Amino acid sequence: DQQVKQNSPSLSVQEGRISILNCDYTNSMFDYFLWYKKYPAEGPTFLISISSIKDKNEDGRFTVFLNKSAKHLSLHIVPSQPGDSAVYFCAAGRGADGLTFGKGTHLIIQP
Amino acid sequence: GAVVSQHPSRVICKSGTSVKIECRSLDFQATTMFWYRQFPKQSLMLMATSNEGSKATYEQGVEKDKFLINHASLTLSTLTVTSAHPEDSSFYICSARGGTSTYEQYFGPGTRLTVT
Repeated sequence: DQQVKQNSPSLSVQEGRISILNCDYTNSMFDYFLWYKKYPAEGPTFLISISSIKDKNEDGRFTVFLNKSAKHLSLHIVPSQPGDSAVYFCAAGRGADGLTFGKGTHLIIQP
Repeated sequence: GAVVSQHPSRVICKSGTSVKIECRSLDFQATTMFWYRQFPKQSLMLMATSNEGSKATYEQGVEKDKFLINHASLTLSTLTVTSAHPEDSSFYICSARGGTSTYEQYFGPGTRLTVT
């Protein structure tokens, strides 16, 4: 049973536009969520996180929105840059437990 | 800050041998370290959680006698794959949590294990 879902395997966005990556979860016990960026054969790089008691967190070009009632979160990247091309993973956690990851979305920024 | 290193980055071993992978937090003390595994085109799957000075907690389906975890200090955790088989070939990634972070995990660069 997949508790964290990223239903879009890939997303193509034009440079300068907004990239919106989506993530759904099923476990209402998760109390924090994180987004990671990953290149092949490298470890994930932390981007931004959000606690379940908040609905928005912003850091530079990255904003994460959380809709608890819908069990949905999204990562907005504005403006999108060529260096943003990578696989983005949504992850969820509870307390001191390890993270549960989605399958990732491959973001491609086109010039 | 929050840098995690892993060594080796890549290892090839013969079936039946054991391989040790090290994970270090370089600029913070990690109260908890985690080990994940990623198969090609799959997501990262949590294998085990290790706290300094105590036994690791393994996820369901992960053999604790095969994947030995030692967390001897606040900056070092090791994963030993014992009696490796070709199906153990994977990308192993550690993460660490600690310092000023309440729940954020910082990942190492990963270790590509190939068992021949």
